[in-house]
Amino acid sequence: DAKTTQPNSMESNEEEPVHLPCNHSTISGTDYIHWYRQLPSQGPEYVIHGLTSNVNNRMASLAIAEDRKSSTLILHRATLRDAAVYYCILRDVGSSNTGKLIFGQGTTLQVKP
Amino acid sequence: DSGVTQTPKHLITATGQRVTLRCSPRSGDLSVYWYQQSLDQGLQFLIQYYNGEERAKGNILERFSAQQFPDLHSELNLSSLELGDSALYFCASSKFGGGAYEQYFGPGTRLTVT
Repeated sequence: DAKTTQPNSMESNEEEPVHLPCNHSTISGTDYIHWYRQLPSQGPEYVIHGLTSNVNNRMASLAIAEDRKSSTLILHRATLRDAAVYYCILRDVGSSNTGKLIFGQGTTLQVKP
Repeated sequence: DSGVTQTPKHLITATGQRVTLRCSPRSGDLSVYWYQQSLDQGLQFLIQYYNGEERAKGNILERFSAQQFPDLHSELNLSSLELGDSALYFCASSKFGGGAYEQYFGPGTRLTVT
């Protein structure tokens, strides 16, 4: 699986937008970009995923660079509940892929009131 | 609530013992995954089942085994337990087995080996 690079930690103020970056320079054409987050004392939670185009859902937006070598998870208005570890994960949807998630260290997001 | 249930929530046992962790996937999901989260190793993939068949193996020890039953629930069996097996064990499910589908995680089972 191709590797991703994320900052170890980021800080945000409540009710402000947050942009969480992820670099994946070795991404292949069949890699989807997935984001999960893990709130304290909970299991990981699916956030969003995309292939080439920007994606929006009720939780967040995913902006994917034109060359697909980087992406940004956007939380439009951070709340205290968004404080979590955010994981950017590439998942190959080629025929050999099993669907397993390979978690890195992620970005720990702190939200200040 | 993700729809994935795991029992028990907490488990305390002694070294050398054997335990079974249980997972019920979301309704309609065919694939089940098991992950281990420890302080020093982070979240690690252990094993995946799809519609009753083993699909992939990760960093799973030989002392550990799993299975998925016809009703699609899954069990993770941990035997000859060691102190280092103390961790959070998460189960996740997805509609199918491939990489295009999101996974939904259960609340986890916290295992403490004393």
